Amino acid sequence: KNEVEQSPQNLTAQEGEFITINCSYSVGISALHWLQQHPGGGIVSLFMLSSGKKKHGRLIATINIQEKHSSLHITASHPRDSAVYICAGGGADGLTFGKGTHLIIQP
Amino acid sequence: SQTIHQWPATLVQPVGSPLSLECTVEGTSNPNLYWYRQAAGRGLQLLFYSVGIGQISSEVPQNLSASRPQDRQFILSSKKLLLSDSGFYLCAWSAALLNQPQHFGDGTRLSIL
Repeated sequence: KNEVEQSPQNLTAQEGEFITINCSYSVGISALHWLQQHPGGGIVSLFMLSSGKKKHGRLIATINIQEKHSSLHITASHPRDSAVYICAGGGADGLTFGKGTHLIIQP
Repeated sequence: SQTIHQWPATLVQPVGSPLSLECTVEGTSNPNLYWYRQAAGRGLQLLFYSVGIGQISSEVPQNLSASRPQDRQFILSSKKLLLSDSGFYLCAWSAALLNQPQHFGDGTRLSIL
């Protein structure tokens, strides 16, 4: 079964800082997902990666298939970025999730 | 455009009562459908997935069951709820192709008393 490890578990930073969240997975997956969960529980899919790098606004996601490692970066962080960020790996038979990174951006 | 509807948003049920959570998808055909659960203080876990009508795969043995009576309808059920069934339940769908993103419903927060 796929295992997905995320770090750090908790991260508090000041507004404007560059944020990095890391994710490692143990076996081959067809795609790696980055998700954002808000306090009410709703989940938004940020990125799905199978290779390389993707950028959306201030968010950047990278994946290294050989090292089985992915990172999510947030540039010029803002308090509204505060949320739980979750990486998940898998395919058509469902996702295996990391435990999430609880990010707080202080003004 | 595609949308996913999940209801109810919150539910409080006594131990031993039945459960039915419904999820429907609009704007797509033959989606893959998923039920996930997030227990308090824990990460999300896949409960069931379905690649077609009547086709249900279960990832973990449990007190719950799932059914897909129609192409875009996915139902999570229990005959007798346990305290340990409390949690946040999420339905999701993806296109039935390789490497497709998953799209999540708004979730149901289930509290068992």
